[in-house]
This record gives sequence, structure tokens and C-alpha cells, in this order.
Amino acid sequence: SQQGEEDPQALSIQEGENATMNCSYKTSINNLQWYRQNSGRGLVHLILIRSNEREKHSGRLRVTLDTSKKSSSLLITASRAADTASYFCATARGTPLVFGKGTRLSVIA
Amino acid sequence: SAVISQKPSRDICQRGTSLTIQCQVDSQVTMMFWYRQQPGQSLTLIATANQGSEATYESGFVIDKFPISRPNLTFSTLTVSNMSPEDSSIYLCSGTGQRSTEAFFGQGTRLTVV
Repeated sequence: SQQGEEDPQALSIQEGENATMNCSYKTSINNLQWYRQNSGRGLVHLILIRSNEREKHSGRLRVTLDTSKKSSSLLITASRAADTASYFCATARGTPLVFGKGTRLSVIA
Repeated sequence: SAVISQKPSRDICQRGTSLTIQCQVDSQVTMMFWYRQQPGQSLTLIATANQGSEATYESGFVIDKFPISRPNLTFSTLTVSNMSPEDSSIYLCSGTGQRSTEAFFGQGTRLTVV
């Protein structure tokens, strides 16, 4: 299966701290994407990193990709209470996307 | 980007009945998908909605239970038929554009079967 596996399953931090989530996958990919989901609602696309990229930034988000290890990490810097959500990685090798199990992030004010 | 309007947002249904969920996209998308998400779990792909033809179902999902329509590029429906409590879940529609695999999602339908 191509499904990603996020680590940790749950993470609780204080506001202002950084949050790091990891994703591992099993097969070759074209790109890897990160999504956020608030309280069981629709997912929102955060960032996409292509297989030939190693690092990408978007605002307070930093994503890395190591294709040799088949892993990616998402770093959220200076976290806010509003960052509380579930975060999913999704791998793309054509369509459709295959989603990991997610990391539940709680940011405590 | 695309905005996907999904309705209903939630429903409580009696077992044995059927519910149809609708998704309307504000612009054309190439692909549309339907997912199911159990509480606290990941998304499981039900099927790919194909315009003007039968949907492509994933293993474990069948057309009789989850009939899907996609009459045009911007609209799709998923019906959950002959519901049982095991069908209680969040159902999500998703679309991708022509030039990117970035996916857009509806707000989800939280279904409870009693």
C-alpha cells in the first residue's frame, strides 16, 4: 500500500512552540502534500512538495522530503491555538491521493 | 483553486433508508472523488466519480450500496443506500484540477444512522 503513516498520532504543545510531524510512505511518488482538517470538516491543502524537491516553505510551514528514506516532515513554527487540527500527509502517484492516518495537534494557549 | 459546496452538512437517518449527498464545484475539475472517514481515522477512498459514466469503485465498495452520479464536470452525488449503523461516518467529496494534483474538499457530511 502507498498509504503514508504519520508520527506522532497526537501532539500537544504550548502556544509559541514549534510542532513537527513526520510522514513515511512505501512506494515512489510524484509529489507529497500536507492537509489540515478542523474538527472532522473538509480538508484544506497546505503545501505540496515534488519528488525532486528537498525542502519547501510557506509562511510558518516548512516541509522536507527525503525520497531515499521515503519520509517527509512538516514543521509549524510559532504555533497558535488556531493551529489545533488534524494534519494529514497525502502521496500522489497519479490520482487519487492516498492519505496517511494523521496527526492530531493540540496547541494550548 | 476551487470551492466545493457539499450538502447536507449532517444528518441523522433511520436504518434501512437512503441518503443522497451532493457536491457542487464552482469551477471545472478534472477528477472528483468520494471518501469516507471514520471518527479519528484517515480518509478511505470509496470511488472516483467519472463524468457521464459509471464510477470506479475501490475494493470493498460496490455500486449497489454507494451509487454515484456525475452528470457534468461540476456536480456529483453519492447515495448511501439501505443504511445501517455501520455506515455512520463522515463522507467527503473532493476534486482536482487539470494542472495539479492538489485536492479541494467539500465540508463533509456527518452521517449518523440510528
